[in-house]
Amino acid sequence: GAVVSQHPSRVICKSGTSVKIECRSLDFQATTMFWYRQFPKQSLMLMATSNEGSKATYEQGVEKDKFLINHASLTLSTLTVTSAHPEDSSFYICSARSSGVSFSHIQYFGAGTRLSVL
Amino acid sequence: QKEVEQNSGPLSVPEGAIASLNCTYSDRGSQSFFWYRQYSGKSPELIMFIYSNGDKEDGRFTAQLNKASQYVSLLIRDSQPSDSATYLCAVQMEYGNKLVFGAGTILRVKS
Repeated sequence: GAVVSQHPSRVICKSGTSVKIECRSLDFQATTMFWYRQFPKQSLMLMATSNEGSKATYEQGVEKDKFLINHASLTLSTLTVTSAHPEDSSFYICSARSSGVSFSHIQYFGAGTRLSVL
Repeated sequence: QKEVEQNSGPLSVPEGAIASLNCTYSDRGSQSFFWYRQYSGKSPELIMFIYSNGDKEDGRFTAQLNKASQYVSLLIRDSQPSDSATYLCAVQMEYGNKLVFGAGTILRVKS
């Protein structure tokens, strides 16, 4: 199956700092990547859809100036949490879908990044 | 009404039994349906997808879709303790578009 690499797996940072999370599709090209957030005992909530070469589409209630998304290539999307605060502590998960014809509706997930803001 | 609904569980079944997980969705225009398994602290992994009415089998897993009734289910035969996890139902309105997840059902398989 397709492999999506997400880095780092865990981040602990001080309040007010910025954190960058990388999501890479290793064996396929991904024109679209998705960023989710999951709070404890809750389901995944889509934050934004990242399209290569264009601006990300954010879901309602997600601050685009706080969660900066860059999708500079067909294999890499980054999420930067700017001026992180304790309430931003969560499990952030990216997914990618292939730009190929076959199975392009399937999203493959990265391993997730657990962010803890002190 | 939530877009995708699942019973949170936990659903407890003995080892070797059939586990039945259900999911309903609100949007009749939904195109594709996915079942993901998520172990505690890990990201979701795809088990199966289905987009046509009826059953789809893959090993011990069978996905069932009924678009008229707007429900999709997952059957796990010969349940194993390693199947204990949270099972997430996800619905895709347009092919390749974003997924909407249910809250997940916790499955516990007792040995």
